[in-house]
Amino acid sequence: DAGITQSPRHKVTETGTPVTLRCHQTENHRYMYWYRQDPGHGLRLIHYSYGVKDTDKGEVSDGYSVSRSKTEDFLLTLESATSSQTSVYFCAISERSDSLAPNTDTQYFGPGTRLTVL
Amino acid sequence: ELKVEQNPLFLSMQEGKNYTIYCNYSTTSDRLYWYRQDPGKSLESLFVLLSNGAVKQEGRLMASLDTKARLSTLHITAAVHDLSATYFCAVASTSGTYKYIFGTGTRLKVLA
Repeated sequence: DAGITQSPRHKVTETGTPVTLRCHQTENHRYMYWYRQDPGHGLRLIHYSYGVKDTDKGEVSDGYSVSRSKTEDFLLTLESATSSQTSVYFCAISERSDSLAPNTDTQYFGPGTRLTVL
Repeated sequence: ELKVEQNPLFLSMQEGKNYTIYCNYSTTSDRLYWYRQDPGKSLESLFVLLSNGAVKQEGRLMASLDTKARLSTLHITAAVHDLSATYFCAVASTSGTYKYIFGTGTRLKVLA
């Protein structure tokens, strides 16, 4: 299994409070991603990173910010949590390659963080 | 904008039967992925399809890619209960970014 951990694994917080989720990898992969998973929506990309200090928005980035100060860590921050941000959050990593070698750029997912905003 | 659609969204099938899950995507891409997710768990990579006509098989699952039709299929042969899970396809954006867009998933339940 790819070395990806997420912390915390579960969190309950109140509306209006800031929340930071951490993703840590030991694979030295260049790309890191944050998704949220909600029933009926599959996985939706929040933000992603293509290198240290290089990040970009995904399809549901409003209300979220990210930071990547070193290769192994990718932080997701909810500046002021809302009930609509109650979800399961997954971090993923990949090492995209332009070669045709199989499985070179599939994503590996962390265990997930279940966040409840009351 | 790249969009990915899967169908069916829910599939209940008897053990021993065959069925196919479809994944359509809206714009050109030459990389398509299939994942499996068990309830309450994370996603696990099943297949990576990197070119037109690619076919991959693992056990009772076989995935194929037709880039001209923008279609991938995941075929299940002689289903068994252990295949019960949610299956996602995902497509890599080719717009110079590094994004993957996921379908909404197909929830498969295999009945004994």
